Amino acid sequence: DQQVKQNSPSLSVQEGRISILNCDYTNSMFDYFLWYKKYPAEGPTFLISISSIKDKNEDGRFTVFLNKSAKHLSLHIVPSQPGDSAVYFCAASFTSGTYKYIFGTGTRLKVLA
Amino acid sequence: KAGVTQTPRYLIKTRGQQVTLSCSPISGHRSVSWYQQTPGQGLQFLFEYFSETQRNKGNFPGRFSGRQFSNSRSEMNVSTLELGDSALYLCASRRTATLAGAGGEQFFGPGTRLTVL
Repeated sequence: DQQVKQNSPSLSVQEGRISILNCDYTNSMFDYFLWYKKYPAEGPTFLISISSIKDKNEDGRFTVFLNKSAKHLSLHIVPSQPGDSAVYFCAASFTSGTYKYIFGTGTRLKVLA
Repeated sequence: KAGVTQTPRYLIKTRGQQVTLSCSPISGHRSVSWYQQTPGQGLQFLFEYFSETQRNKGNFPGRFSGRQFSNSRSEMNVSTLELGDSALYLCASRRTATLAGAGGEQFFGPGTRLTVL
């Protein structure tokens, strides 16, 4: 049972435009969410996180939005740059008890120059 | 500060063999988690260790095991390898005991690519 879903396996965006990556989850008890970026032959690197007490968190060009009622989060990248081309994973967790993240299957973003 | 290191980076084994993968966390990090990445499945959680204690285990058969040493280095072992065990195995370390807040984010190593023939 995939508790965290990224339904778009790939996305192509023109350089300078906005990239929007989506993630849905099924367990309403998740209270902490993260986005990771992964380049080939490297491990994932942490991008941005959000607690369930917030609905938005910004860090430079990256903004994560959380819609708890819809069990949906999204990552916005503005403006998109060719170096952003990578696989993006969203992850969810409970802040107490389980000590693990549950990851989605990833979305491959390609930013076209 | 050195990042998370994993050895070996690549490994080829045959069915029925066993394999041991090693992970050295970032200095000062006491939590080590292991994940399996396969195409279409994302990162599947294997187990997490904190101060030599396994705190959580994912939904994998008993052929997958791990341990953590007093210096926080961790190993995972897969016995009786199957073709479906071919994957990228990622190790991640974290400074704090909890997941959220400062120090809670995980830092990943580059992974060990295991191919089972």
